[in-house]
Amino acid sequence: EAQVTQNPRYLITVTGKKLTVTCSQNMNHEYMSWYRQDPGLGLRQIYYSMNVEVTDKGDVPEGYKVSRKEKRNFPLILESPSPNQTSLYFCASSSIEGASRSPLHFGNGTRLTVT
Amino acid sequence: DAKTTQPNSMESNEEEPVHLPCNHSTISGTDYIHWYRQLPSQGPEYVIHGLTSNVNNRMASLAIAEDRKSSTLILHRATLRDAAVYYCILRDLAGGTSYGKLTFGQGTILTVHP
Repeated sequence: EAQVTQNPRYLITVTGKKLTVTCSQNMNHEYMSWYRQDPGLGLRQIYYSMNVEVTDKGDVPEGYKVSRKEKRNFPLILESPSPNQTSLYFCASSSIEGASRSPLHFGNGTRLTVT
Repeated sequence: DAKTTQPNSMESNEEEPVHLPCNHSTISGTDYIHWYRQLPSQGPEYVIHGLTSNVNNRMASLAIAEDRKSSTLILHRATLRDAAVYYCILRDLAGGTSYGKLTFGQGTILTVHP
């Protein structure tokens, strides 16, 4: 089954403790991206990657890092989490080739709480 | 990157058609119009997309204005399961910067009454 898998689904951590949220897709998609969703603010893009080793900032990249060493994985790294990074996070992927390249496929989300 | 504007909320009755508008006055010639929806407690899911012509699929129809500065997602017969947040975004499939950097905005909250 084609899917985007995020782990963990829920995470509670403390300020300053480094964490990684993983994202993996099994559709051989070139494009992957991360979003955060907060009440009243909708979905805001954090980072995106057009292909392996190619990443770029979205609208709210501060406090986050990403890496794209393999095509299927796009982890989101919080080196020193702060309470304002408490949010619901979504990973998405899509192909960029041919007529089928447009739809974004989203994961089920990771709810992060930083205390 | 081009932006979209949607109403914050809309309401409909079950079994009635719903027309969800989206304005994108700065759309470029290679921007595709995409619609996604997010059901409660789920990630967004793709609904439909188009470039110039109206499009139909099993979920919905997309009507695109002749000048492409606005579009309307049409749910022909709303059901309770259609209650969701609907997002309209632009993607430049010619490979421009707006392909990668996407702005979803707050979307339209659709409430469907029984």
